[in-house]
Amino acid sequence: DVKVTQSSRYLVKRTGEKVFLECVQDMDHENMFWYRQDPGLGLRLIYFSYDVKMKEKGDIPEGYSVSREKKERFSLILESASTNQTSMYLCASTGGFEDKNIQYFGAGTRLSVL
Amino acid sequence: AQSVTQLDSQVPVFEEAPVELRCNYSSSVSVYLFWYVQYPNQGLQLLLKYLSGSTLVKGINGFEAEFNKSQTSFHLRKPSVHISDTAEYFCALRNNAGNMLTFGGGTRLMVKP
Repeated sequence: DVKVTQSSRYLVKRTGEKVFLECVQDMDHENMFWYRQDPGLGLRLIYFSYDVKMKEKGDIPEGYSVSREKKERFSLILESASTNQTSMYLCASTGGFEDKNIQYFGAGTRLSVL
Repeated sequence: AQSVTQLDSQVPVFEEAPVELRCNYSSSVSVYLFWYVQYPNQGLQLLLKYLSGSTLVKGINGFEAEFNKSQTSFHLRKPSVHISDTAEYFCALRNNAGNMLTFGGGTRLMVKP
């Protein structure tokens, strides 16, 4: 089974802190994604990466950056956390042509910024 | 631009009753359509997908969905729900040019005994 692991289930940070959310997948997938999930808004794409060191902005990239130094790891960075970034963050990955129709999700990180 | 609209934010239903969760989409190009389910405190998992071919798609846990191109809909149905189906359900689409999914706002299915 594909496994997507997010390093923390819950995080509490203070306004202005730099925050790192880590995601690791074990299926050698090319594509990795970061979403935030808010009630009534569904999932909104923040960034995605289609290869090591490659990234593209999603729908809501402002206030976020990402890093993909190794194929299996995709990090989401909040340079200076703000209260409006309190949310659930979900990481996902997909494979090549046949697999890219299925996104595999981690369990999520619930971030609270105080 | 493309979008997905889930018309009901919450659907309460009694156990063993049928249920339909509605999804409409908008896109100027051909799309692939998906339903994902999120159980409490878990990530999303794929329930079913429509890529091409038969418009009636069967998924896991007895769910099915029908793709209707003329009505731009992809409604999810189950003839008899269980308490364990209580979860949030997301409709999503991907166009044939990219890797990114566009999600609807989600529908919380609440199955009551």
